[in-house]
Amino acid sequence: AQSVTQLDSQVPVFEEAPVELRCNYSSSVSVYLFWYVQYPNQGLQLLLKYLSGSTLVKGINGFEAEFNKSQTSFHLRKPSVHISDTAEYFCAVRDGGSNYKLTFGKGTLLTVNP
Amino acid sequence: GAGVSQSPRYKVAKRGQDVALRCDPISGHVSLFWYQQALGQGPEFLTYFQNEAQLDKSGLPSDRFFAERPEGSVSTLKIQRTQQEDSAVYLCASSQHEGGYGYTFGSGTRLTVV
Repeated sequence: AQSVTQLDSQVPVFEEAPVELRCNYSSSVSVYLFWYVQYPNQGLQLLLKYLSGSTLVKGINGFEAEFNKSQTSFHLRKPSVHISDTAEYFCAVRDGGSNYKLTFGKGTLLTVNP
Repeated sequence: GAGVSQSPRYKVAKRGQDVALRCDPISGHVSLFWYQQALGQGPEFLTYFQNEAQLDKSGLPSDRFFAERPEGSVSTLKIQRTQQEDSAVYLCASSQHEGGYGYTFGSGTRLTVV
């Protein structure tokens, strides 16, 4: 079974600083990778996804992520964060052998301070 | 509708009470999923529907949990004889295609069992 590890449970940063949220997954022949954001008392919103092709994926709100097969990682980055980026971020993986089930990490709380 | 709608948003149940949680997916979406998100955790898969067929219920924690989607649109997750460990946010998601390349999630129902 797939597993997803988000190495940092909390990441505090100052506004306009760069940020990286780390995600590693257990190895599989093929995987599809996702990052979701969850604002307080809301559902999950898809930020970006990697299905195939270019390993650098750009998403909404200025976020991007890089798929690294050899390191089984899919880290999320943003060059300059805003207060409004404060939220919980979840990395998820869909095993290529399954056509629907997502396995999520435990989440990283990003707190952007003024 | 424009998004996935879940009701109620909050539900407080006394231990032993039965509850029913409703999900209205995006119109025309074939796939529907239920996930359970415990406090401080990532969502965990409960069950998957393709139209009205429940193709996977492997994530349902016990036989007290039951889900249905009789006409291939609205779905109901029912929990019988609720227990304290059932307290969580229950998220519904839908996807246009069979399987999912990034679901659209609802805002969830927060169930508290007292």
